[in-house]
Amino acid sequence: EAGVAQSPRYKIIEKRQSVAFWCNPISGHATLYWYQQILGQGPKLLIQFQNNGVVDDSQLPKDRFSAERLKGVDSTLKIQPAKLEDSAVYLCASSLGRNPPEKLFFGSGTQLSVL
Amino acid sequence: AQSVTQPDIHITVSEGASLELRCNYSYGATPYLFWYVQSPGQGLQLLLKYFSGDTLVQGIKGFEAEFKRSQSSFNLRKPSVHWSDAAEYFCAVAHFISGGYQKVTFGTGTKLQVIP
Repeated sequence: EAGVAQSPRYKIIEKRQSVAFWCNPISGHATLYWYQQILGQGPKLLIQFQNNGVVDDSQLPKDRFSAERLKGVDSTLKIQPAKLEDSAVYLCASSLGRNPPEKLFFGSGTQLSVL
Repeated sequence: AQSVTQPDIHITVSEGASLELRCNYSYGATPYLFWYVQSPGQGLQLLLKYFSGDTLVQGIKGFEAEFKRSQSSFNLRKPSVHWSDAAEYFCAVAHFISGGYQKVTFGTGTKLQVIP
């Protein structure tokens, strides 16, 4: 079974530039999550999709971050413009969509460095 | 607000010794609790979960955890640690948000070092 795919694996940009991350969840998984993991901290949920609708984006800095999940499958997370404090690993996860989510399947993440 | 606390940032144990990682949660209703492990170069992986029933749950790789409602705790244990258990361990809780959905909130993690 294919896992959660993320790209790119690494990205280095300068502050004020824009960047986009892509995620392909496990086939059939209705729920998709984007987490931000800053070095030394636990993952923080940025946005959660149920199919192609947003169910939680309370911790997403909406002045600079945006995300979409077209057709309820792939998802893109964008940062524009980036700040130094956005340096982190961005993790995508998916689950079947049950309540509670029995298991989150995580991708390998995208490590972002903002210089 | 719902929260998960892992009081130990870093723990070092000798190979073969027993292990206990602490987790406390703050949540009004019956919690849904998880332990995930993040090994170097690998993604987060579910070790075990508690939803209801027997308060002692078994997971993969020989780990177990015990839910204690009176202490709001869900501590992870292993009787004998192997060098390959060196990783970062995250406690997490699922809780309700609007629309009847649930979100998963993670603790800050405990980094485990295993010495020979």
